[in-house]
Amino acid sequence: AQKITQTQPGMFVQEKEAVTLDCTYDTSDPSYGLFWYKQPSSGEMIFLIYQGSYDQQNATEGRYSLNFQKARKSANLVISASQLGDSAMYFCAMRESNRDDKIIFGKGTRLHILP
Amino acid sequence: EAQVTQNPRYLITVTGKKLTVTCSQNMNHEYMSWYRQDPGLGLRQIYYSMNVEVTDKGDVPEGYKVSRKEKRNFPLILESPSPNQTSLYFCASSFGDRTEAFFGQGTRLTVV
Repeated sequence: AQKITQTQPGMFVQEKEAVTLDCTYDTSDPSYGLFWYKQPSSGEMIFLIYQGSYDQQNATEGRYSLNFQKARKSANLVISASQLGDSAMYFCAMRESNRDDKIIFGKGTRLHILP
Repeated sequence: EAQVTQNPRYLITVTGKKLTVTCSQNMNHEYMSWYRQDPGLGLRQIYYSMNVEVTDKGDVPEGYKVSRKEKRNFPLILESPSPNQTSLYFCASSFGDRTEAFFGQGTRLTVV
């Protein structure tokens, strides 16, 4: 079974609109971390935002916020006021408190921002 | 500037010719990992290290070696590269589990 599910392979959004990228996860570990990464066409993996499983408040970083719904095992990324430079592949990822340092990635959502 | 640096960024090599991809981080992170990214397969962990002289296999370690002699460096060694190791490789580092991992710029390797 997939541990990270991103159900939107691709999205088209008008510039300046807000966009929500969906992510659900599956874990039995009570302690875990959730991340979002951005991968532009140049290929690098850019860290965007982090949410710990025990964090009471949703994480925010500038225009990025993470809508964390623990009971639903959901960790959606919200980008406010989208910009053309936001066009990229976005990956949701999880890290459990195990001993293998592994980050488990979803298959990604390709976001296209339209002018 | 805090960063993870991989070299080279691009490499085309021939089957069987040993190569090393270097990875260095300046954040004093204990945890370091190597991943490969392939279309349709996503990112998969190759090897990881939780401290100096401590390394272990990830999901796809066959054909790769690593070493961790110093905290900042974690090179990936392909002793005898084969075409199925053509991929985009990432090195990542972090302070520990449940903290964010920072990735290098990626190394696009082609084995012909």
